[in-house]
Amino acid sequence: AQSVTQLDSQVPVFEEAPVELRCNYSSSVSVYLFWYVQYPNQGLQLLLKYLSGSTLVKGINGFEAEFNKSQTSFHLRKPSVHISDTAEYFCAVSDRQGGKLIFGQGTELSVKP
Amino acid sequence: ETGVTQSPTHLIKTRGQQVTLRCSSQSGHNTVSWYQQALGQGPQFIFQYYREEENGRGNFPPRFSGLQFPNYSSELNVNALELDDSALYLCASSREATNEKLFFGSGTQLSVL
Repeated sequence: AQSVTQLDSQVPVFEEAPVELRCNYSSSVSVYLFWYVQYPNQGLQLLLKYLSGSTLVKGINGFEAEFNKSQTSFHLRKPSVHISDTAEYFCAVSDRQGGKLIFGQGTELSVKP
Repeated sequence: ETGVTQSPTHLIKTRGQQVTLRCSSQSGHNTVSWYQQALGQGPQFIFQYYREEENGRGNFPPRFSGLQFPNYSSELNVNALELDDSALYLCASSREATNEKLFFGSGTQLSVL
């Protein structure tokens, strides 16, 4: 079984500052890792994913994440945030057979001017 | 490509009633997954349908049931509604039962009074 822990429920940050949203996972098998963003009253949009290969993954909107197998982490980073990045961010894991995604509780990113 | 569409967008029901939610998958996709997202929580996997057969189920009671049609659209049925069923219900489609590229709809907001 897999599980995901997002270590921060809320992250306030000023515009143009860097941000890191933390995600730890547990699994007894090899996994795929994902970050999704959810804007108010909308569904989920894929930001980036780690399937295999390079541990540094680049996604849309200037976000990137690093897969760290020894620390079982998949933290999301952006060097300079914009007001428009204000949203809920979800880390998710699945096994390589497909099926269900296991989501974390979410991190609310609030970007202030 | 058409996106994933869900209907209705909002629904209000009373306890004990039954509800049907609908999802049209993205063109070319043969797999539909359903998730329940309670307020302030991450989405939780309900079940997945692949080529009209159930292909995995989460920890939800049998009163949650589903169907996938030959055109790969899908329905989620919930019987004997309870107050705790109030949530955003998300549908996601993909090719060949993988999670590598899931496309989510905007969801149906169900309120049970």
